Amino acid sequence: GAVVSQHPSWVICKSGTSVKIECRSLDFQATTMFWYRQFPKQSLMLMATSNEGSKATYEQGVEKDKFLINHASLTLSTLTVTSAHPEDSSFYICSATQETQYFGPGTRLLVL
Amino acid sequence: DQQVKQNSPSLSVQEGRISILNCDYTNSMFDYFLWYKKYPAEGPTFLISISSIKDKNEDGRFTVFLNKSAKHLSLHIVPSQPGDSAVYFCAASGGTSYDKVIFGPGTSLSVIP
Repeated sequence: GAVVSQHPSWVICKSGTSVKIECRSLDFQATTMFWYRQFPKQSLMLMATSNEGSKATYEQGVEKDKFLINHASLTLSTLTVTSAHPEDSSFYICSATQETQYFGPGTRLLVL
Repeated sequence: DQQVKQNSPSLSVQEGRISILNCDYTNSMFDYFLWYKKYPAEGPTFLISISSIKDKNEDGRFTVFLNKSAKHLSLHIVPSQPGDSAVYFCAASGGTSYDKVIFGPGTSLSVIP
């Protein structure tokens, strides 16, 4: 199956800093990628749809100015958590589509 | 409002027996359904999918059944193996695999040796 990678896998940062998470489709091109967030013992919640060459589409309740998404190429989408706070601590997962959605391994963010 | 529901948060099954995981949805616009398996601190792994024009799809030990009139689907795993122990997410999307996917809350399956 298709491979999606995420970098970094773990990040710990201080409150108020910004964190960038990369999502790459390694062996295929993806015009659309998705960003999800999962809190402990909860389901994956869709945050936004990332479209190559255009603005991301955010789900209701997700602050677009806080979670900046850039889909600069057909194999890379980035999610930047700006001015991170402890409540942003979560597991962030991206996905890319090739016939079906393939998910990255996730990025664990801990904001101190 | 939860559009995809998995009413059993957990399920325990003896090795070799059948595991049946259930899922209900409310949005009649959903046209494509997927099951994912997930281990802690990892991304979900695609298992099997079904489009609304079918009522059954089989792949090895995994079979998904869809009852569109009841807005219900189920995943059957037979025979169950200890390595199947994980959280299983039912998911639905609008019509193609390129549409956004809405996940259910998940069912934690434990297969007891």
